Amino acid sequence: KNEVEQSPQNLTAQEGEFITINCSYSVGISALHWLQQHPGGGIVSLFMLSSGKKKHGRLIATINIQEKHSSLHITASHPRDSAVYICALSRGSNYKLTFGKGTLLTVNP
Amino acid sequence: NAGVTQTPKFQVLKTGQSMTLQCAQDMNHEYMSWYRQDPGMGLRLIHYSVGAGITDQGEVPNGYNVSRSTTEDFPLRLLSAAPSQTSVYFCASSGRDRGISSYGYTFGSGTRLTVV
Repeated sequence: KNEVEQSPQNLTAQEGEFITINCSYSVGISALHWLQQHPGGGIVSLFMLSSGKKKHGRLIATINIQEKHSSLHITASHPRDSAVYICALSRGSNYKLTFGKGTLLTVNP
Repeated sequence: NAGVTQTPKFQVLKTGQSMTLQCAQDMNHEYMSWYRQDPGMGLRLIHYSVGAGITDQGEVPNGYNVSRSTTEDFPLRLLSAAPSQTSVYFCASSGRDRGISSYGYTFGSGTRLTVV
């Protein structure tokens, strides 16, 4: 069993919809990261969480340490949000990351 | 700040050739790492370094060498390229940013390598 599982694998939405991407994990962590990768593009770090909730613009990330679960929400989705969203875990020293397989989000106009 | 600079962006090699992928960061991060990204496999750790002079193997180290002579630079060497090394490679760094505890990650823009 993978240490980190993301769902859904693929997600298609209409512009303006509220998006939720889930990440579940099975190991103890020191932090959880949400990353964004546009098609053919580089990887951008969106959030690093160790507890609670963080918000940046239309993006909100939450984590429940007891349930070993995190969600990434996108409010008022836009076609430019179309990308692969990757959940990654830090353990111990925070240095080495364990990655989920990613969620491909497509937002249609 | 430039962040993480990774070169080249694209490279085609013949089987058996060697090459070096360059990675440099200007954030004084102590931790640097190399990942490869393959369809259906996600990102996998090749090698990493927790400081100058210190390197260690990740999940898929075979066929790759690294060195860390300075805090800024962490090159990845392919000794004898094989078609199985066709992939997209990302360098990343992490550490305290400007004295503030961070440990978030900054990634390079990636190198798309094809071995024929």
